[in-house]
Amino acid sequence: DAGVIQSPRHEVTEMGQEVTLRCKPISGHNSLFWYRQTMMRGLELLIYFNNNVPIDDSGMPEDRFSAKMPNASFSTLKIQPSEPRDSAVYFCASTRDRQGYEQYFGPGTRLTVT
Amino acid sequence: RKEVEQDPGPFNVPEGATVAFNCTYSNSASQSFFWYRQDCRKEPKLLMSVYSSGNEDGRFTAQLNRASQYISLLIRDSKLSDSATYLCVVNSKGGYNKLIFGAGTRLAVHP
Repeated sequence: DAGVIQSPRHEVTEMGQEVTLRCKPISGHNSLFWYRQTMMRGLELLIYFNNNVPIDDSGMPEDRFSAKMPNASFSTLKIQPSEPRDSAVYFCASTRDRQGYEQYFGPGTRLTVT
Repeated sequence: RKEVEQDPGPFNVPEGATVAFNCTYSNSASQSFFWYRQDCRKEPKLLMSVYSSGNEDGRFTAQLNRASQYISLLIRDSKLSDSATYLCVVNSKGGYNKLIFGAGTRLAVHP
């Protein structure tokens, strides 16, 4: 079975540009998570969807960040405008909607904003 | 105070050594506990769940102390391939699917 798929794997962009990160969760999983990982702050949850509905977006840093899940097999995380402090690895993860179930992570998108 | 706290390490140990990692969590209502492993420049992957009675998986043993809000991971007979960062993970208050990750403890096993 295919795991969580993320694209692009690497993104280098200039400050002020729009960045869109994409995620395809594992088929049959109905919870999807976007995380950001940096050396300074570790792994932080940005937003969590359940059955395509955003449940908790308290981790979204500011209005420059937005996330959508138009259907069960696709989600996007958009940063507009991007800033150098947004440079990080962004992970998408999915799981079934049950307590204690393992979250499966995608390979991540390494974003560099210059 | 962070919700999940770990010693960042690094722990540098020789092959064959036994090493233990500890983790504390602040939310007494947490119900699910895990150890994840993350290799350099890779995604986190589940190593093992942690059960109240303690559990073992080969060379790995996890323990939970709810009264002290403390989780541990013991690795026996360390292998070079155990070198990685180990993340302590706890479910968050108010959402059983929402996980809080510790910053991780780095382990380096040398020959």
